[in-house]
Amino acid sequence: GIQVEQSPPDLILQEGANSTLRCNFSDSVNNLQWFHQNPWGQLINLFYIPSGTKQNGRLSATTVATERYSLLYISSSQTTDSGVYFCAVDPLIYNFNKFYFGSGTKLNVKP
Amino acid sequence: DTAVSQTPKYLVTQMGNDKSIKCEQNLGHDTMYWYKQDSKKFLKIMFSYNNKELIINETVPNRFSPKSPDKAHLNLHINSLELGDSAVYFCASSQEAVGTDTQYFGPGTRLTVL
Repeated sequence: GIQVEQSPPDLILQEGANSTLRCNFSDSVNNLQWFHQNPWGQLINLFYIPSGTKQNGRLSATTVATERYSLLYISSSQTTDSGVYFCAVDPLIYNFNKFYFGSGTKLNVKP
Repeated sequence: DTAVSQTPKYLVTQMGNDKSIKCEQNLGHDTMYWYKQDSKKFLKIMFSYNNKELIINETVPNRFSPKSPDKAHLNLHINSLELGDSAVYFCASSQEAVGTDTQYFGPGTRLTVL
């Protein structure tokens, strides 16, 4: 099956700092999504981004489908950004949406 | 209004018991999913239903039986619970089963098997 690798696995930031999270995937995909799992366990969809660049406030994401990677940028980080960030991909080879998740990047933003 | 809801939020039970988790979505979506998140936070798809029909069954033991009475509900029944079934189970939904779409997740059900 498709391999989805996220880096770094852990990240500690001081409030106000910027960071970049990376997701590499091994095969062509229909769909790529970024999620944030907050410390209470809730999974929130951040971006649907199979290609190109999108921005939402302090967050932005870029996917380069031809090179099989996606980046999530967090600017001016806040303590509420803490949690685990997951990348999920839907491989082209399947007839139906079938998402494979990476192992996540655990972010801790310190005040 | 909660878009995707699950009950119960916590479930503690003994090995060998049978238990069910319920999921409901009020988004009008056609497709619903069950995911399992293990103790290392790894998320893996288990099942997907589209308009009450099973479309993905991801090599899950047949002790797990999903049931979709209508397209707004997808329940998960687990027979003969084992220690390894302890995990957080997430329900999710999306508008369609095919192609580009976003998924919306429920709050999760933390299952502990003793």
